[in-house]
Amino acid sequence: EVHLVESGGAVVQPGGSLRLSCATSGFIFGKYNMHWVRQRPGKGLEGVSIIHVDGTTRGYADSVKGRFTISRDNSNNSLHLQMTGLRAEDTALYFCAKDSPNGSIEHWGRGTLVTVSS
Amino acid sequence: DVVLTQSPLSLPVTLGQSASISCTSSRSLVSSDGKTYLNWLHQRPGQSPRRLIYEVSKPDSGVPDRFSGSWSGTGFTLTISRVEAEDVGVYYCMQGTHWPYTFGQGTKVEIK
Repeated sequence: EVHLVESGGAVVQPGGSLRLSCATSGFIFGKYNMHWVRQRPGKGLEGVSIIHVDGTTRGYADSVKGRFTISRDNSNNSLHLQMTGLRAEDTALYFCAKDSPNGSIEHWGRGTLVTVSS
Repeated sequence: DVVLTQSPLSLPVTLGQSASISCTSSRSLVSSDGKTYLNWLHQRPGQSPRRLIYEVSKPDSGVPDRFSGSWSGTGFTLTISRVEAEDVGVYYCMQGTHWPYTFGQGTKVEIK
């Protein structure tokens, strides 16, 4: 069974930095693209970033480009999101998600909450 | 980024009646492999999203057959043929053709 467990969420001041992690199990991590998706309080889903299986090809939403960096450790089955220059509008529940071969997301974690506030 | 626009954003429905949600895209979602990676997800309050439909019209395992997805010249549609109480929540379309994947704004389905 696929398990995705996010960690690292916290309350941080505007301009601060945070690193999210996602521990995975139940599938061959190195064979799947991975995503970070966020959901602001009471709002919809927003794709934040995606990383290819090889770790070198990455995509970012315009809203986080230049501030967030996605990475993965295939030897440790883990996904990360380094967030810098945090803003109030980055406050959200951040989900780790597993890609599926058919241009989709099939599995989701439960999310980790990031709050940007002074 | 690709913009997906859903309508309506709120959908009160009567139990047993049908409901339809529309999703239009700012760009073609036909991939270089000829497939169209448009998905439908369902999220209940306090839960993570769950995929219902992938590649426009293919249902996930365990999804009731009252859920169906389609495409016409004007966009994509999710149809719930006989709404049940467990169908309440927010429905999202999501495209996986262009990186990063993007989502519609969500349609909140509630029982009248």
